[in-house]
Parts: sequence; structure tokens; C-alpha cells
Amino acid sequence: GAGVSQSPSNKVTEKGKDVELRCDPISGHTALYWYRQRLGQGLEFLIYFQGNSAPDKSGLPSDRFSAERTGESVSTLTIQRTQQEDSAVYLCASSPDTWNTEAFFGQGTRLTVV
Amino acid sequence: AQTVTQSQPEMSVQEAETVTLSCTYDTSESNYYLFWYKQPPSRQMILVIRQEAYKQQNATENRFSVNFQKAAKSFSLKISDSQLGDTAMYFCAFKAFNEKLTFGTGTRLTIIP
Repeated sequence: GAGVSQSPSNKVTEKGKDVELRCDPISGHTALYWYRQRLGQGLEFLIYFQGNSAPDKSGLPSDRFSAERTGESVSTLTIQRTQQEDSAVYLCASSPDTWNTEAFFGQGTRLTVV
Repeated sequence: AQTVTQSQPEMSVQEAETVTLSCTYDTSESNYYLFWYKQPPSRQMILVIRQEAYKQQNATENRFSVNFQKAAKSFSLKISDSQLGDTAMYFCAFKAFNEKLTFGTGTRLTIIP
């Protein structure tokens, strides 16, 4: 595709369930980011993948959160035992490299935990 | 760790006027990049303008320009001849080599007809 694709666009889940959010970056982009954005708030960094380097997981808020990336392609963000405070928009972005180039964002997944 | 601060949570301005959004940052790096991103109500993040720290000349993109003060670690965005379509959240962001892209908390800008 032409841009960063995220699925699903919306997800409603019950408290305590696990969810998986998917991000398809732009082909050839080596860098991939996940951010969380609560309603009306800024972007909270979660995790950063860069090529074959160890990911920067410093933003993951708890051990309920994990993310994987297969090579330089798809990434999955998993939230286990969801809580109501996990409700937010989860944004994925990719970039051609680790330096100065623009990060391209997907439309996000709106997660609602009920 | 790098930090980015946007001290203006909300701003509003009349259509066709000029508005300046502030951003400061803290880093020990000497070479880095700064960005302004726009997030309209559609939620799609869009790059507005970028500045390379080793370039003294301020970046400009049509009605958008920056005032980059490296010593003061300040990076403000000026929007000239503001338009209704400029209504959005604006985020300042910082990136050093091999590090994550760090965002400020954002400024909600409303253009009043």
C-alpha cells in the first residue's frame, strides 16, 4: 500500500481480554514506532524498532504491553488483560531510516475497553 | 533523555492573522532534527516542517516558517495568513541519530472565521 496501514480501525473489548493491534509500515521503512494517544492528549511513546537493532521498549507502561516486528515488515502490539485506562488511540508510524527523515503515521486504532 | 516542552495548551487566532506556537527542548546532542507535525480532527498526523540543527537558516514551507534558536533550544512555528484548515493540534518533535522520535504535549490551535 501507499501508506502506513493499521488494523482494526476500531476495537471494543471487555476488561480483562487480550487484544492485538496490527501495523503494516510502508515497504522498505526500517524504523517503526508505536505511540498511545489518550483523548485530547499528546503522543505517549511506547516502543521503537530500528532494523535489526534491539527495540527501545522504554515507553511500554507495564508488562501487559508487548510488541513484535517481523524483520522490516508487520508489527503487532499486544495488550494483555486490558484495563479501562488502556482506552486510547494507538498510532503506528514508520520511517525510511533512523535519521532525519519524516515519520509517516497510520490512522490509528481506537481501542475502547468496557 | 530528550524532552520537548510546549507551554501553550490552546491558542486561537482570527483568520488571516499570524500566529506563533512555541516549543523548547532539552538535549546534550549537538546534531539532531526538529519537526512540527499537524493533527487535524481527522486524526491523521502530517509533517508541517523540519529543521536540521546544523543549519543556521530557518526552514520555511509556504505560509509556515520556524524560528530556530539553537543556543536557547527553542523552535517556534509561525503560521502566516492563517486559514480555517489550519485548525488542528500541533506537535513539536525532536530526533537524534538512532533514537526515538520524541513529541511535546501539543498545542490546540483554532482559527476563528
